[in-house]
Amino acid sequence: DGGITQSPKYLFRKEGQNVTLSCEQNLNHDAMYWYRQDPGQGLRLIYYSQIVNDFQKGDIAEGYSVSREKKESFPLTVTSAQKNPTAFYLCASSVAPNYGYTFGSGTRLTVV
Amino acid sequence: EDKVVQSPLSLVVHEGDTVTLNCSYEVTNFRSLLWYKQEKKAPTFLFMLTSSGIEKKSGRLSSILDKKELFSILNITATQTGDSAIYLCAVSRLSDKLVFGAGTILRVKS
Repeated sequence: DGGITQSPKYLFRKEGQNVTLSCEQNLNHDAMYWYRQDPGQGLRLIYYSQIVNDFQKGDIAEGYSVSREKKESFPLTVTSAQKNPTAFYLCASSVAPNYGYTFGSGTRLTVV
Repeated sequence: EDKVVQSPLSLVVHEGDTVTLNCSYEVTNFRSLLWYKQEKKAPTFLFMLTSSGIEKKSGRLSSILDKKELFSILNITATQTGDSAIYLCAVSRLSDKLVFGAGTILRVKS
């Protein structure tokens, strides 16, 4: 079945550590996105990529980094520079930037 | 600046009630408006609206778009506890990424 897989589902990190969240899709979608969702809030865009080897900052990119070396994969690294990293992170993909998104099941990151 | 505003931010109803969720937008190069339902994890697609005045229906859910007044509503009739979720509205622009609203948290009490 085609879809998006995010891993891990839950992640705990100590302050000062970098952590990488995985996002893999087998939908052959060109565009991929990372969103952050805080309790009671909507989705805020961190980074997005419309094509392999290219990506753009979203609205809250500070403290995050991404890579897009393969069409199927768009990993997100939460660095120690991110001051409030505890959140729910959603990855999405779409055939093209202006089409509806397919979402992964998310990763809940907790900094302890 | 492009923006999507949803109201109310949260809502508590009893089973069997009818609810109306609102989404207004101000975006350049509008292409379509989308509704998603998010229960625990991944948002799931409900509707995509591109034309004014044409109601889309799926069971007890329906939605309509008004491109003149720049808003959309999502109606849920005969609500059930399984309708409890966050409902997200998003607008797609020509050749650009979606812009999401903050969401409406709906809780249906039995």
